[in-house]
Amino acid sequence: GAVVSQHPSWVICKSGTSVKIECRSLDFQATTMFWYRQFPKQSLMLMATSNEGSKATYEQGVEKDKFLINHASLTLSTLTVTSAHPEDSSFYICSAITGGRAEAFFGQGTRLTVV
Amino acid sequence: AQSVTQPDIHITVSEGASLELRCNYSYGATPYLFWYVQSPGQGLQLLLKYFSGDTLVQGIKGFEAEFKRSQSSFNLRKPSVHWSDAAEYFCAVGRYGGSQGNLIFGKGTKLSVKP
Repeated sequence: GAVVSQHPSWVICKSGTSVKIECRSLDFQATTMFWYRQFPKQSLMLMATSNEGSKATYEQGVEKDKFLINHASLTLSTLTVTSAHPEDSSFYICSAITGGRAEAFFGQGTRLTVV
Repeated sequence: AQSVTQPDIHITVSEGASLELRCNYSYGATPYLFWYVQSPGQGLQLLLKYFSGDTLVQGIKGFEAEFKRSQSSFNLRKPSVHWSDAAEYFCAVGRYGGSQGNLIFGKGTKLSVKP
C-alpha cells in the first residue's frame, strides 16, 4: 500500500508555544487529507478535512484558530497547534486519499505532550 | 447520528485459538464498514472493508468479517490467531457517500495473544 509519513512521531512542548505536525504522502498525490485526534481509551475523532489548495473544513467543536491546517501541495499537509495547553496533549493522526472513494492511508501518528 | 460501538476493550486469546471481535454500528442507510489494525508506533492498516454485495468479506492476514444488517453488526473473525496479531483493532463506518477518508471509529479493541 501507499505510504503516509508523519513527523514528528512524538513531541513535548511548553504550554503557550506552537507545534507543527507534518503529514506527507510519500508515493502518491493526496487530493484530500484528514486529521484525527485520539484521547486515551477513546475513538479517533475527525478534526478536519483538507483539500489541496483550499481551506480546511473543520468538524463541529474544533477550534480552527487553534488547530491551523495547511494543505499547500498534493503531498503535504500540516497541522499547527497554536498556543498549546496541557489539554491539547493527545495523539494526532493523519490520513490521505487520492480521490473521493479511494482507500485512505494513515500516518503513524504524533504523540503531543504539552507541559 | 452515526456511531460505532466496540463492546470489548481488551481481549486475550491463546495462540492458535479462534478470534471474534465485535462491532456494532448505528446508521440509517447502507453503511460502508471498515476494520483497521494498529500496532504500537504504527499507523492504521486496512484489514478489510464492506461496501455492498457478499456480506462475508475476506481481508488481509487471514481475517474476515461478516455484515449482518439485522443485527447492525460487522464482526471481525480469524480462525487461528498468531502472536503477531497482537495489536489494537478499530472498526469504522464511512460518513459520507462511501468516502474512505471521513470515518467514524469505534474505541478500539486491544488484542493480546498468549503463547
